[in-house]
Amino acid sequence: QKEVEQDPGPLSVPEGAIVSLNCTYSNSAFQYFMWYRQYSRKGPELLMYTYSSGNKEDGRFTAQVDKSSKYISLFIRDSQPSDSATYLCAMPLPNKLVFGAGTILRVKS
Amino acid sequence: DARVTQTPRHKVTEMGQEVTMRCQPILGHNTVFWYRQTMMQGLELLAYFRNRAPLDDSGMPKDRFSAEMPDATLATLKIQPSEPRDSAVYFCASGLEDGQPQHFGDGTRLSIL
Repeated sequence: QKEVEQDPGPLSVPEGAIVSLNCTYSNSAFQYFMWYRQYSRKGPELLMYTYSSGNKEDGRFTAQVDKSSKYISLFIRDSQPSDSATYLCAMPLPNKLVFGAGTILRVKS
Repeated sequence: DARVTQTPRHKVTEMGQEVTMRCQPILGHNTVFWYRQTMMQGLELLAYFRNRAPLDDSGMPKDRFSAEMPDATLATLKIQPSEPRDSAVYFCASGLEDGQPQHFGDGTRLSIL
């Protein structure tokens, strides 16, 4: 079993839809949780960074962490074609980031 | 806006040739990472430096890969000899300390023929 599981998609939604992206993890040592966005032919860029269980909001993006279920989510409200990218969850250990496989998101105009 | 800079952006070469990829981390960052990304394996950690010292290179094939930081502004990843299975996108990332977010460059797209 991988330490971090993420559905690779692709996920295709119409413009304006609410998008839900999810990861599950098995290692209780994970304390911090990150979401990266990666556009085609670009490096991953940090989107959200959270520690505690609960919700963290930044504009149209909300990161949700449920440590009891070992489950994290990223919600995108009012999705735009410019949100089309691969979204990777990541969890740090002392000397590395453990990444999910990434979910490909396509927002159709 | 500070960025990690990687060169070259693209490299096509023949099997058996030496390949050198370079990375300039964000000024002030003391951790540097090399990753390889493929469709099949996703992002794999190859090597990790803190304060220019190599701390973990267990992800690298030791017989052909080497990573160094000759100074705080330059990290290098070399492959010698290169093989077709090395074809991938290689990313460098830097960060402030362990466990903190890493900032990625735009990668070197490597094709070994």
